[in-house]
Amino acid sequence: EAGVTQSPTHLIKTRGQQATLRCSPISGHTSVYWYQQALGLGLQFLLWYDEGEERNRGNFPPRFSGRQFPNYSSELNVNALELEDSALYLCASSLEQGANYEQYFGPGTRLTVT
Amino acid sequence: AQSVAQPEDQVNVAEGNPLTVKCTYSVSGNPYLFWYVQYPNRGLQFLLKYITGDNLVKGSYGFEAEFNKSQTSFHLKKPSALVSDSALYFCAVRDWNTGNQFYFGTGTSLTVIP
Repeated sequence: EAGVTQSPTHLIKTRGQQATLRCSPISGHTSVYWYQQALGLGLQFLLWYDEGEERNRGNFPPRFSGRQFPNYSSELNVNALELEDSALYLCASSLEQGANYEQYFGPGTRLTVT
Repeated sequence: AQSVAQPEDQVNVAEGNPLTVKCTYSVSGNPYLFWYVQYPNRGLQFLLKYITGDNLVKGSYGFEAEFNKSQTSFHLKKPSALVSDSALYFCAVRDWNTGNQFYFGTGTSLTVIP
């Protein structure tokens, strides 16, 4: 069974540009989570999508947005990039049924803003 | 308020010795608790979870964790450490009181010394 996939692996942008990151969940998983992992700051929750709807968002400005498609894949958009947006962005999926609430993570997208 | 805390940034242990990585949480009600491991340049891998039932849960790679409600702790343990266990370990809690959000600790870097 294929795991969570993310693309691209690396992304280099300049300040002020927009970045789009993509995630495909494990087959059958309906929930997708996005996290930012900046150096020394651990994982910071960004967004949670389930069944196509945004269920919750973390303490990030509105220029961080996303969506979930009918096939449950997801896209994270970061507008007006700032230098401090440089980080590893991790996507995770979960089944959200029974006792299956653990998240399975993709390898991440390394975003560098110059 | 921090929902999950990992008090040790770094833990060193000799190969073959038992290891403990500490985690405490501060959510009310009945939390769902998780441990994840992150190897260099890779995404997070799910190790184990506590949802309900037996306070001692067993997971992948010989790891186990003990849920202690009175001490609000969920420490990760392994009876005999391997050099290959060296990695970054994250504790996480799912807080049903804040929109079902996951909170991750800041991580503990485990080094197993040969």
